[in-house]
Amino acid sequence: AQSVAQPEDQVNVAEGNPLTVKCTYSVSGNPYLFWYVQYPNRGLQFLLKYITGDNLVKGSYGFEAEFNKSQTSFHLKKPSALVSDSALYFCAVRDRGSTLGRLYFGRGTQLTVWP
Amino acid sequence: DADVTQTPRNRITKTGKRIMLECSQTKGHDRMYWYRQDPGLGLRLIYYSFDVKDINKGEISDGYSVSRQAQAKFSLSLESAIPNQTALYFCATSDLAASYNEQFFGPGTRLTVL
Repeated sequence: AQSVAQPEDQVNVAEGNPLTVKCTYSVSGNPYLFWYVQYPNRGLQFLLKYITGDNLVKGSYGFEAEFNKSQTSFHLKKPSALVSDSALYFCAVRDRGSTLGRLYFGRGTQLTVWP
Repeated sequence: DADVTQTPRNRITKTGKRIMLECSQTKGHDRMYWYRQDPGLGLRLIYYSFDVKDINKGEISDGYSVSRQAQAKFSLSLESAIPNQTALYFCATSDLAASYNEQFFGPGTRLTVL
């Protein structure tokens, strides 16, 4: 069975500090991994994805994520947080061996960056 | 994503009423999805469709039905709405060409059932 865990409901950081939003996953095969961001009153926007290759993936707005197969993790990171990064972040996984192709989402992590 | 639209954006209705939420896309994608979002629960899949003739139940399909009228249109119906169906509903699309393609989301419909 596929599942995603985001262990922190909330993450608070000061502007200019590095941020990390954690994600661990469980799939029966090899994963495709995704991060999405949701701003207030908006739909989800794609940030980045891991398919294969380099474990460090770079995405939109200066975000990056590191795939760690041994720890089954895909943590989202940014070296220097901005107040405008405050939003709800979702991690998602798809089993690349599955023909159904559906995504499984975590519960979301609310990121607050204060000035 | 502006290429995925949902109507209405907000709806307040009463218990027992029939409600239809509509989704249209201009991305030319084959796959379409309906999710509901509840605080602290993330997104849960209601139904998904890989083409006009293909409809599949997700993890929480009870109380819902869908119709794929065309490649670009995917509607979600609540035959008899109940208060615990109060939620934010999202439509999403993805391209069949590659299974690692990301999904594109509409702006959401906020549904309140009184």
